[in-house]
Amino acid sequence: GAGVSQTPSNKVTEKGKYVELRCDPISGHTALYWYRQSLGQGPEFLIYFQGTGAADDSGLPNDRFFAVRPEGSVSTLKIQRTERGDSAVYLCASSSIGAYTDTQYFGPGTRLTVL
Amino acid sequence: KNQVEQSPQSLIILEGKNCTLQCNYTVSPFSNLRWYKQDTGRGPVSLTIMTFSENTKSNGRYTATLDADTKQSSLHITASQLSDSASYICVVSGLTGGGNKLTFGTGTQLKVEL
Repeated sequence: GAGVSQTPSNKVTEKGKYVELRCDPISGHTALYWYRQSLGQGPEFLIYFQGTGAADDSGLPNDRFFAVRPEGSVSTLKIQRTERGDSAVYLCASSSIGAYTDTQYFGPGTRLTVL
Repeated sequence: KNQVEQSPQSLIILEGKNCTLQCNYTVSPFSNLRWYKQDTGRGPVSLTIMTFSENTKSNGRYTATLDADTKQSSLHITASQLSDSASYICVVSGLTGGGNKLTFGTGTQLKVEL
């Protein structure tokens, strides 16, 4: 596609539920990133994929968070046993090859609200 | 801990005026510094990318400067337009791990008024 797309745009769930957030990167981009942005803050790094593998998952806050990219394109961020503190905008970005100076192109984000 | 600090936190200017936003960082080892524009409800959009050897980079009415010795950067916006109203985020990349792990500042919220 023309840009990075994310679905759903908004997700409201109850505390303790499981959610999946989807990211479709720009076609041909091998690098994919997930960030979390809380209100009034800059995005915080969660995980980076190079192809199908997670090259750096040091930003995942705990083991309730997990992400996959099985075919090296679409990625899914999975959150188990959601907590109110998980409420944030989850941003996905992709870049051409993951080089240090690659431009990262961001999607519009998924706004997650945990009640 | 790697940090990126921006000032001012918010800024209101009249259309047609210029403004300068500031960024200080402590990310080390340093790879590059970026400025992003984020409209409300949208993902960030890249404006400029500078490596440590670059002192200035322009993109239309946006000009970014970098002093890698003092670890400071600025973003100058010339002849502001209403559409410039957005959050401007300074982002620093360190030479850690694979790929490009970015550290974001909290942004400067710019409002351009008539």
